[in-house]
Amino acid sequence: LAKTTQPISMDSYEGQEVNITCSHNNIATNDYITWYQQFPSQGPRFIIQGYKTKVTNEVASLFIPADRKSSTLSLPRVSLSDTAVYYCLVGEGTGTASKLTFGTGTRLQVTL
Amino acid sequence: NAGVMQNPRHLVRRRGQEARLRCSPMKGHSHVYWYRQLPEEGLKFMVYLQKENIIDESGMPKERFSAEFPKEGPSILRIQQVVRGDSAAYFCASSPFGSRTDTQYFGPGTRLTVL
Repeated sequence: LAKTTQPISMDSYEGQEVNITCSHNNIATNDYITWYQQFPSQGPRFIIQGYKTKVTNEVASLFIPADRKSSTLSLPRVSLSDTAVYYCLVGEGTGTASKLTFGTGTRLQVTL
Repeated sequence: NAGVMQNPRHLVRRRGQEARLRCSPMKGHSHVYWYRQLPEEGLKFMVYLQKENIIDESGMPKERFSAEFPKEGPSILRIQQVVRGDSAAYFCASSPFGSRTDTQYFGPGTRLTVL
């Protein structure tokens, strides 16, 4: 199975927009794409979920191209408290080989 | 409405002992997932259960690991004859519906240390 990959780390200044992309070129046909935020020593926290095109909620937007082989989490104006690791979660593969897979994670560091 | 509860939060075992990790899902949720996170690594799917059924155990090691979600009571992840490589954070998550990519709500995790 192809790996679900993300950039290892990103740096941003407070107030900027941050876009984190997840590559999932073996995504299962019927599965949603979900993004989570994780702080040290805590469980992941749900951010946003989508199937295709664009989804927006009060904290983020999610962009999914037509082929669904990638997705981009957009955080509009980050603050210091957004410093965390961000993961995408997808179903990969088909049939009996299909498996729930977290991305490799992106460590976002926000500074003043 | 209490969130997902996991206990113990920290567990220390010696090599060869058994570890039992408990997960109580959110009220009304009938699906539970278990994940393992090794130090400084990402989350790896282990098993997905519904009450009294294992739906997908494709991420579970073939030996020493088992999971259950009985009709009454919490879900249990059991690791027999623990080894140092089992030291990790184990997270459970729950969801209200049956699709495996429904929104999952995570517990705080159990940190297992094997001496």
